[in-house]
Amino acid sequence: DIQMAQSPSTLSASVGDRVTITCRASQTIRSYLAWYQQKPGKAPKVLIHKASSLENGVPSRFSGSESGTEFTLTISSLQPDDFGTYYCQQYNSYPHSFGEGTKLEIK
Amino acid sequence: EVQLLESGGNLVQPGGSLRLSCAASGLTFSNYAMNWVRQAPGKGLEWVSAITTTGDTTYYADSVKGRFTISRDTSENTLSLQMNSLRAEDTAVYYCAARRPYYGLDVWGQGTTVTVSS
Repeated sequence: DIQMAQSPSTLSASVGDRVTITCRASQTIRSYLAWYQQKPGKAPKVLIHKASSLENGVPSRFSGSESGTEFTLTISSLQPDDFGTYYCQQYNSYPHSFGEGTKLEIK
Repeated sequence: EVQLLESGGNLVQPGGSLRLSCAASGLTFSNYAMNWVRQAPGKGLEWVSAITTTGDTTYYADSVKGRFTISRDTSENTLSLQMNSLRAEDTAVYYCAARRPYYGLDVWGQGTTVTVSS
């Protein structure tokens, strides 16, 4: 099974900051990685698929990149509505494992 | 409007059974692989099970293998999860989620709560 190591687990940043969250896969996942944002009490919302493809309607301040088995979600200029918990998920092979999550709070 | 609507969550005793359902509307159901994802109280997301677009192949997390069964009815646009031999650690919000080929889980239901307790 593929394990996804996500870091950091918590993050506090100010409006306007550049924020990065990282996921490392335990083996190759051929870019089959998605990023999700979850607000308290709500279902997750997909932001990015195939490592770097932005979903329709997601602000362009969100971007994804990859380098080998390391994947990064970047928020270029943090906005107040970006609080929540972020998860990565690999869907290269079953089980489609999630990272442990990164709780992002706005200072 | 694209929508997934789960139902069937309840309080059940350890060792009991429950069947969750997910009704899909506003999307071409047969184009989507369907998934169940759960979230225990205060915890992260856990992928539980998936079924292919045709329904001919199913996948399970080790934590539920042999106890849970996923199925889909394309004529009714519904997804089901039969859960047997339930344990306290199965307590969670269960989400139904849909995925097109090469995409992430881009349609989610609102979740249904399963509580396993005596």
